[in-house]
Amino acid sequence: QVQLVQSGAEVKKPGASVKVSCKASGYTFTSYAMHWVRQAPGQRLEWMGWINAGNGNTKYSQKFQGRVTITRDTSASTAYMELSSLRSEDTAVYYCAREGYYYDSSGKTDWFDPWGQGTLVTVSS
Amino acid sequence: SSELTQDPAVSVALGQTVRITCQGDSLRSYYASWYQQKPGQAPVLVIYGKNNRPSGIPDRFSGSSSGNTASLTITGAQAEDEADYYCNSRDSSGNHLRVFGGGTKLTVL
Repeated sequence: QVQLVQSGAEVKKPGASVKVSCKASGYTFTSYAMHWVRQAPGQRLEWMGWINAGNGNTKYSQKFQGRVTITRDTSASTAYMELSSLRSEDTAVYYCAREGYYYDSSGKTDWFDPWGQGTLVTVSS
Repeated sequence: SSELTQDPAVSVALGQTVRITCQGDSLRSYYASWYQQKPGQAPVLVIYGKNNRPSGIPDRFSGSSSGNTASLTITGAQAEDEADYYCNSRDSSGNHLRVFGGGTKLTVL
């Protein structure tokens, strides 16, 4: 079955960087895009960006532009999200999610399924 | 605008029908997808496209769309449906970005 397994919890100091991994299994990794979403404690889901796992092209939310880098290693079927210049407001659970899609006469329809289990990143001095 | 707006909280009596809505300019061009999130768990896809349910999602969940509003309807709400629900769609900028609504907390009374 399709599964996304993320790396473990991290504790970082303000100003540092964190890199979270998301290992995919059960499907052809390069055929689907991977998205990253975060959720601060008690807050809404927040979309961060995505990577075309086939060609490596990326798109980022304007909020995170310049601080986030999403990459992938096709040989390891793994996507990565690196966030730099961490501050306390970046304390959150970070999720990866595979983009499902289909094409019809209306164009492309897409969604996120499945999701990884989440990685808690705590930023604290 | 790239925002999606949801009511923060909605309640429904056990066994009754509830509609959760999501409004935004991008919904005139793109379908919303809907996610259920229970405390301490990752979100789960419940509706995508025009009105599609992933395998394992009960048929009491359905979706619809009109103009700038997408709706998730639960017909015969169950206690286990109590959760946060989020809509997501493409950003209307055409830059292949995505955006989530603010989420709706559903209480089943």
